[in-house]
Amino acid sequence: DIQMTQSPSSLSASVGDRVTITCQASQDISNYLNWYQQKPGKAPKLLIYDASNLETGVPSRFSGSGSGTDFTFTISSLQPEDIATYYCQQYDNLPAYTFGQGTKLEIK
Amino acid sequence: QVQLQESGPGLVKPSDTLSLTCAVSGYSISSSNWWGWIRQPPGKGLEWIGYIYYSGSTYYNPSLKSRVTMSVDTSKNQFSLKLSSVTAVDTAVYYCARKGLGAREHAFDIWGQGTMVTVSS
Repeated sequence: DIQMTQSPSSLSASVGDRVTITCQASQDISNYLNWYQQKPGKAPKLLIYDASNLETGVPSRFSGSGSGTDFTFTISSLQPEDIATYYCQQYDNLPAYTFGQGTKLEIK
Repeated sequence: QVQLQESGPGLVKPSDTLSLTCAVSGYSISSSNWWGWIRQPPGKGLEWIGYIYYSGSTYYNPSLKSRVTMSVDTSKNQFSLKLSSVTAVDTAVYYCARKGLGAREHAFDIWGQGTMVTVSS
């Protein structure tokens, strides 16, 4: 099974900060990675697919990069409405999907 | 506007079968998308349960495969989840979701609001 390790597990940052979350796969998964945002009490929302493609309607301050085993999710300028938990999801070993354990983002 | 809505009992007894339905509106379930279930135990992360095509083809999480059954009812534009022999560890918010198309085919691009299911006697 492919394991996904996100870091950090939690993060506190100030409005306007650049925020970076990483997701590491236990083996090469090419660019087969998505990123989701989950606000408290809400369903997850797709932000990034195929590691770096921004979903329609998602603000451009969100971005993703990486391939192979190491991936990065970035918020270029943190906004108050970005407070959420962020999850990566791999789809290399189809048909199974695996989510990372999540990164909880808070405002400092 | 595509909307998904989960429904089903909020309380299930241990050893019983959990049954949930996801009603799809604003979109035909017979389109080229697959339809999935994901769950989230309280305070924990997301776990993929499985997904189904309108034809009835399914893929399940190997860790749950022996207990999971998914079905689709195209006449009602809905799909369903059954999880048998439940225990307390199956207590979670259960989400239904649509898998995307094309480059998004392995992403869940539309989600239901989720429904909390508690397993307790």
